[in-house]
Amino acid sequence: EPEVTQTPSHQVTQMGQEVILRCVPISNHLYFYWYRQILGQKVEFLVSFYNNEISEKSEIFDDQFSVERPDGSNFTLKIRSTKLEDSAMYFCARNRQSSGNTIYFGEGSWLTVV
Amino acid sequence: AQSVAQPEDQVNVAEGNPLTVKCTYSVSGNPYLFWYVQYPNRGLQFLLKYITGDNLVKGSYGFEAEFNKSQTSFHLKKPSALVSDSALYFCAVRDMGYRDDKIIFGKGTRLHILP
Repeated sequence: EPEVTQTPSHQVTQMGQEVILRCVPISNHLYFYWYRQILGQKVEFLVSFYNNEISEKSEIFDDQFSVERPDGSNFTLKIRSTKLEDSAMYFCARNRQSSGNTIYFGEGSWLTVV
Repeated sequence: AQSVAQPEDQVNVAEGNPLTVKCTYSVSGNPYLFWYVQYPNRGLQFLLKYITGDNLVKGSYGFEAEFNKSQTSFHLKKPSALVSDSALYFCAVRDMGYRDDKIIFGKGTRLHILP
């Protein structure tokens, strides 16, 4: 199955700046996710998104983060006022249907905060 | 809460030898288990999953995994390792939420295949 497409592949940003990461999933997919991986370590769940609203979010996903699907296609993760510890690989993922169907990941967006 | 544990940070195997990457799980209800692989500077690629049925699940690139309910394990295996199998391997479990499911990953095991 095709994976989602993520942009940018790599972004360097100054601490305190806002960042928007984008994900272009297949149009008939309803469930979307963002995960984060710091420096090749554990992959951590951030948020799930279903039917144009947040379904579940983790403790990591605080007020600094937001998600939306403004045009019904692109799925975005916004990080306001970035911190050094936000440096990580951010993965978008999608699932065609819940209940056990496989979640497929994009190639990731590598964010470096300096 | 659902969780998986990968007890080994790193596994070294000589090329041509069989390999095993260990995973144990802790779930309430029936487990839905997954293995993903991450090659250097790449995304997460799905390898295989266990939902129900045969305890031995076959996946991509010649990998298979054995579901063992009594030992709550889901070890990843391959009969003959290749140098190109060197990567980071993640075991994962489905965590059912109120409206959808997400998957929870183990910490990962780095597999080194020695030529």
